[in-house]
Amino acid sequence: LAKTTQPISMDSYEGQEVNITCSHNNIATNDYITWYQQFPSQGPRFIIQGYKTKVTNEVASLFIPADRKSSTLSLPRVSLSDTAVYYCLVGDRGDKLIFGTGTRLQVFP
Amino acid sequence: EAGVAQSPRYKIIEKRQSVAFWCNPISGHATLYWYQQILGQGPKLLIQFQNNGVVDDSQLPKDRFSAERLKGVDSTLKIQPAKLEDSAVYLCASSFTLAGGRGNEQFFGPGTRLTVL
Repeated sequence: LAKTTQPISMDSYEGQEVNITCSHNNIATNDYITWYQQFPSQGPRFIIQGYKTKVTNEVASLFIPADRKSSTLSLPRVSLSDTAVYYCLVGDRGDKLIFGTGTRLQVFP
Repeated sequence: EAGVAQSPRYKIIEKRQSVAFWCNPISGHATLYWYQQILGQGPKLLIQFQNNGVVDDSQLPKDRFSAERLKGVDSTLKIQPAKLEDSAVYLCASSFTLAGGRGNEQFFGPGTRLTVL
């Protein structure tokens, strides 16, 4: 199972773009990269998943370089409600998801 | 679509007592997971069911924790006897198929916050 490394915390201001990078040097060929968001007193919530290049949905973009050894979650124009912990997970179909400590994002007015 | 339901939301017990948590997954989801989340840490998988069979329970402390998923739908997680270090949030999640791979996202319930005194 690929181990991931993320910054422990990040600060931003409302309206800014936030990029959270995750390192996964030993990612396997069949592994996908998934990001979850967790608010206090709630369970994690799926944000986005990708395998290579770029994936975009209504809330975020995921950038994955050709070597797939890292990935970047991009949150455009964050608001106060984006203050949360963000987890990067790497795994293959059938692999159990292993959550790290995540990145605590604090958005200021 | 209804989400994953868990009860109770909060529970306070004394050490050496027993406690049980209940989870009702999203209808049609074959896979069910129980996680333990200690304050400041990410969720740790305790047990994973595929329908009513156990797929992975390698991190379940089997001397005190047990879980079952009768009829492949609802599930209960029990701790007996509880220790102080069991204080945590217990999260239940479900997915349409096994986690990982395209589209197999997990849907989490709100969790049960357990405090052991």
